[in-house]
Amino acid sequence: NFMLTQPHSVSESPGKTVTISCTRTSGSIASNYVQWYQQRPGSAPTTVIYEDNQRPSGVPDRFSGSIDSSSNAASLTISGLKTEDEADYYCQSYDSSNWVFGGGTKLTVL
Amino acid sequence: EVQLVQSGAEVKKPGESLKISCKGSGYSFPNYWIGWVRQMPGKGLEWLGIIYPGDTDIRYSPSFQGQVTISADKSISTAYLQWSSLKASDTAIYYCASTSSAWYRPSYWGQGTLVTVSS
Repeated sequence: NFMLTQPHSVSESPGKTVTISCTRTSGSIASNYVQWYQQRPGSAPTTVIYEDNQRPSGVPDRFSGSIDSSSNAASLTISGLKTEDEADYYCQSYDSSNWVFGGGTKLTVL
Repeated sequence: EVQLVQSGAEVKKPGESLKISCKGSGYSFPNYWIGWVRQMPGKGLEWLGIIYPGDTDIRYSPSFQGQVTISADKSISTAYLQWSSLKASDTAIYYCASTSSAWYRPSYWGQGTLVTVSS
C-alpha cells in the first residue's frame, strides 16, 4: 500500500495563487487518478477536482489540478484566492481495492 | 438530485453495539459503490471500506477489517456501518459517500453521523 503526503498547512493572501502538493510514497502518481476535496468547518467534503484535473460543474475555474511524474506528486492550484476558499483540502487516490486519503492541508487566506 | 441522508448522532458507552445508516435517493442505489469514511475530532479523513449494494461485494481497509461491519439493503436503498463493541477511540464523525461510474472516487457525501463513545 502507498500513502499520500500533504503539507499540514499553507497560507496566502486574497487574490494570490496557492499550490497544495500531494506526494505518493510508493508507486507512480500517474498510475491512478487523484481527486481533491474541500472541507469547510462543520461540513462534509465536496469534490473540487477529480481524475487529476477535471472540475465538477459548479467549481470555479480558479481551481485546477495536475500531476508531476518527476516529483511523483499531484497538485491543487487555487488562483485569485478568496476568503471563502479557506478550508481543509484532501487529496485522494486508490489502488486495486482501496481508497487512500492524504492527511489534509489547512488553507488559511489572510 | 442525488442525496445521501445519514442517521442521527449517537451517544454510546464502551462495549455497546451500534448500527448507523445511510439512505440514498435520486440515483440507482444498487449500481454504485458506497464507501464509509471516518473523521476523528480535529483529524483527517480515513477510509473504512466500500460496498456494492447490487451484489453486496465488500472491500475493507486493512486498518479497519474486523473492527467494523459494512452492509446494505438495496430494497430500501440503505447502507449500514456497525460495531459490535464500541471503544472510546471510535468517537468520530462517520460519512457515507457514493461513487458515480468510477468506484475509486466518492462523488456524493452524506451529512455525517457523529458517534460519541464515553463512559
